[in-house]
Amino acid sequence: EVQLVESGGGLVQPGGSLRLSCAASGFTVSSNYMSWVRQAPGKGLEWVSVIYSGGDTYYADSVKGRFTISRDNSKNTLYLQMNSLRAEDTAVYYCARDVLIWSSAWYFDLWGRGTLVTVSS
Amino acid sequence: DIVMTQSPDSLAVSLGERATINCKSSQSVLYSSNNKNYLAWYQQKPGQPPKLLIYWASTRESGVPDRFSGSGSGTDFTLTISSLQAEDVAVYYCQQHYTTPVTFGQGTRLEIK
Repeated sequence: EVQLVESGGGLVQPGGSLRLSCAASGFTVSSNYMSWVRQAPGKGLEWVSVIYSGGDTYYADSVKGRFTISRDNSKNTLYLQMNSLRAEDTAVYYCARDVLIWSSAWYFDLWGRGTLVTVSS
Repeated sequence: DIVMTQSPDSLAVSLGERATINCKSSQSVLYSSNNKNYLAWYQQKPGQPPKLLIYWASTRESGVPDRFSGSGSGTDFTLTISSLQAEDVAVYYCQQHYTTPVTFGQGTRLEIK
């Protein structure tokens, strides 16, 4: 079955760190563009970061310099290392598979169920 | 960044009736080279992740019922549900996949009247 399963969320204090994982099955992470998208409680969707199949990485301005996306090809798993966390980073974090056709941007055809990150003292 | 604005913010429609959700982009998402509009629609039910419904403004994802249709070009787009079913209660989002960073509309909540 093709699926994504996130883990690693939880409660963390402002300024703290957390690493999210996203285990993929049924397809190869390294052959795809993969993103993290977040959703603050009761709010809309915000793209956070992408890793290209070639390994290039990009970030939203709101997390640049604090978050790092990576992958482990042997484990077929995507990661998001989050440092210097702020209250405004509180959200459900989804990993998603990107689809690019004749474009430099993408839509998302497969989503995990998400993992909740709460930043609070 | 391209700003996506949806209207209305919420909508109540009777079962079996038509539901229409609008999405406007701050700049055109039409690629002149292939005449395709880079606009996607998602459905998000409570407690679930978003689900892709439509991409390229009007191409339905595999398995999506044909009561869902997308239309529009340039900067103005519409998602139409031709005959509302109870299971269509959800929040709907548009997203431009024309350029980075990809951006979403704020969402439209669809309820049963």
